[in-house]
Amino acid sequence: NAGVTQTPKFRVLKTGQSMTLLCAQDMNHEYMYWYRQDPGMGLRLIHYSVGEGTTAKGEVPDGYNVSRLKKQNFLLGLESAAPSQTSVYFCASSQGTGNGYTFGSGTRLTVV
Amino acid sequence: AQSVTQLDSQVPVFEEAPVELRCNYSSSVSVYLFWYVQYPNQGLQLLLKYLSGSTLVKGINGFEAEFNKSQTSFHLRKPSVHISDTAEYFCAVSDIYSTLTFGKGTMLLVSP
Repeated sequence: NAGVTQTPKFRVLKTGQSMTLLCAQDMNHEYMYWYRQDPGMGLRLIHYSVGEGTTAKGEVPDGYNVSRLKKQNFLLGLESAAPSQTSVYFCASSQGTGNGYTFGSGTRLTVV
Repeated sequence: AQSVTQLDSQVPVFEEAPVELRCNYSSSVSVYLFWYVQYPNQGLQLLLKYLSGSTLVKGINGFEAEFNKSQTSFHLRKPSVHISDTAEYFCAVSDIYSTLTFGKGTMLLVSP
């Protein structure tokens, strides 16, 4: 049972480039989330999904897009990367808030 | 709207000493409360959670937390810490309708 798997684990982008981060979960969870973690800022919610085909904005959605075409996958896209998007990105899934979230191991993204 | 305040950004402590990591929250409705731990270069792992019932909650690795509704607090405690407890700890709050909101984290530094 792999839980939540994020790919890639590391990436360096040039300003203006685009990329997609993939999150896959094998627990049949309904809810999925993308957070970013920056030093001294904790985790901030970017976008989330309450089920296949649905997405919603979180606290810091600007510059990101998401898609949930399949229940097990949640993609995070950066259309035109900026240095301010240098961060560690975490994906999580849950079967309801009271169950807590299961986190992936993170993607460390550097935009130069 | 919900918010979480972790009062200490760093807590240094000697091995085998007790420790308390403080967390205060604000919410207009009944809450769910969580503590997560993040070891270096890893994702977040659930330590414990409070949903309802007994205000003293026991978690993994010997940690416990007490929910205090009147003081809107959910402090994390351990009677005797080990070197291996060195990590960052995050308090988080939610209610039945919303996503998790995280505090900015407390770095626990255990020295011999």
